[in-house]
Amino acid sequence: DVKVTQSSRYLVKRTGEKVFLECVQDMDHENMFWYRQDPGLGLRLIYFSYDVKMKEKGDIPEGYSVSREKKERFSLILESASTNQTSMYLCASSPVAGKRTNEKLFFGSGTQLSVL
Amino acid sequence: DQQVKQNSPSLSVQEGRISILNCDYTNSMFDYFLWYKKYPAEGPTFLISISSIKDKNEDGRFTVFLNKSAKHLSLHIVPSQPGDSAVYFCAAKRADTGTASKLTFGTGTRLQVTL
Repeated sequence: DVKVTQSSRYLVKRTGEKVFLECVQDMDHENMFWYRQDPGLGLRLIYFSYDVKMKEKGDIPEGYSVSREKKERFSLILESASTNQTSMYLCASSPVAGKRTNEKLFFGSGTQLSVL
Repeated sequence: DQQVKQNSPSLSVQEGRISILNCDYTNSMFDYFLWYKKYPAEGPTFLISISSIKDKNEDGRFTVFLNKSAKHLSLHIVPSQPGDSAVYFCAAKRADTGTASKLTFGTGTRLQVTL
């Protein structure tokens, strides 16, 4: 089974803090993604990466950055946390396009971040 | 701009009956559609998908129907079971997204299956 592991289930941070959310996948997937889930807004893509050291902005990248130094690990960074970044953050991975399951994302369990 | 819309935030269905979850989209570039199911405290899991070249795909109790002219898809669950109670997300992929499976998600529908 594909396993996508997010380092923290719950996180509480203060406004202005630098926050790191870590995600590791064990299936050698090329693609990795960060989404946030908010009530009434569904899942929105923040950033994604299709290879080591490669990244692309999603639909709502403002206030976030990412790092992918190794294939299995994709980190989301909140440079200066704000209260409107309180949300459920979901990491996902998928194999490269062309393979049979390329359209399917495998998600971690999520990190509920509260910024006070 | 919500390109994938699920207009019913919640749905309640009796066990054994059919559950029908609806999804509308606006972008004609979408060529692949998926449904994900999410339980509380867990990440979404893939349920079923359909390519734009088809109008129906079936997997056990789950069937997805696609009406391209109406830009509408629906998920049918028959018969509904209490374990189906979850939030269901519709998602769509554009034909021009390249190597990454960049999906656009709807807002979700919370299904409750009652005894």
